[in-house]
Amino acid sequence: RKEVEQDPGPFNVPEGATVAFNCTYSNSASQSFFWYRQDCRKEPKLLMSVYSSGNEDGRFTAQLNRASQYISLLIRDSKLSDSATYLCVVNWNDMRFGAGTRLTVKP
Amino acid sequence: DTGVSQDPRHKITKRGQNVTFRCDPISEHNRLYWYRQTLGQGPEFLTYFQNEAQLEKSRLLSDRFSAERPKGSFSTLEIQRTEQGDSAMYLCASSLVGPTDTQYFGPGTRLTVL
Repeated sequence: RKEVEQDPGPFNVPEGATVAFNCTYSNSASQSFFWYRQDCRKEPKLLMSVYSSGNEDGRFTAQLNRASQYISLLIRDSKLSDSATYLCVVNWNDMRFGAGTRLTVKP
Repeated sequence: DTGVSQDPRHKITKRGQNVTFRCDPISEHNRLYWYRQTLGQGPEFLTYFQNEAQLEKSRLLSDRFSAERPKGSFSTLEIQRTEQGDSAMYLCASSLVGPTDTQYFGPGTRLTVL
């Protein structure tokens, strides 16, 4: 089992749609969790941290379920500019990245 | 620009040659990380430093790879006797030790080994 697993997609959605990504992790001792966004041939950029109680930043909502060891990211009212690869990141001793979920938002 | 910088941005080399990459972290950050990323995969952890001490090395880091951070500021990653399988994007990130230890990435060095 991979340490961090994501559905690779691709997810192709129309503008305005709501889309959700899930990520599972294997190490129950993981301490912190993040979603990063990576555009084609660019470096990953922090989208948001994921807190135990769940957190929201505008159109983006992140949830953490420690018991089931998964993290989710919900994007509401998707925009063309949301097209990117979304990387799930789990931190224990060092950062472990999922392979990413590719999202394409179409007009 | 006060973000993480990396040099060079692209490197093409022949198999068997040595290459060295440089990373300059965000100035107040005390942790510096190296990752490797290939197409369709997420970044894979290679090693990290806290100040000048190298605290962890991945088993992915063969003995042809060496990293230094001599003064606790910039870091170098050297690959000796490059192989075609070393072709990848090499990413550097830095962070400030704290509750979340959020990492900020540089633009990467794309290595192509012919």
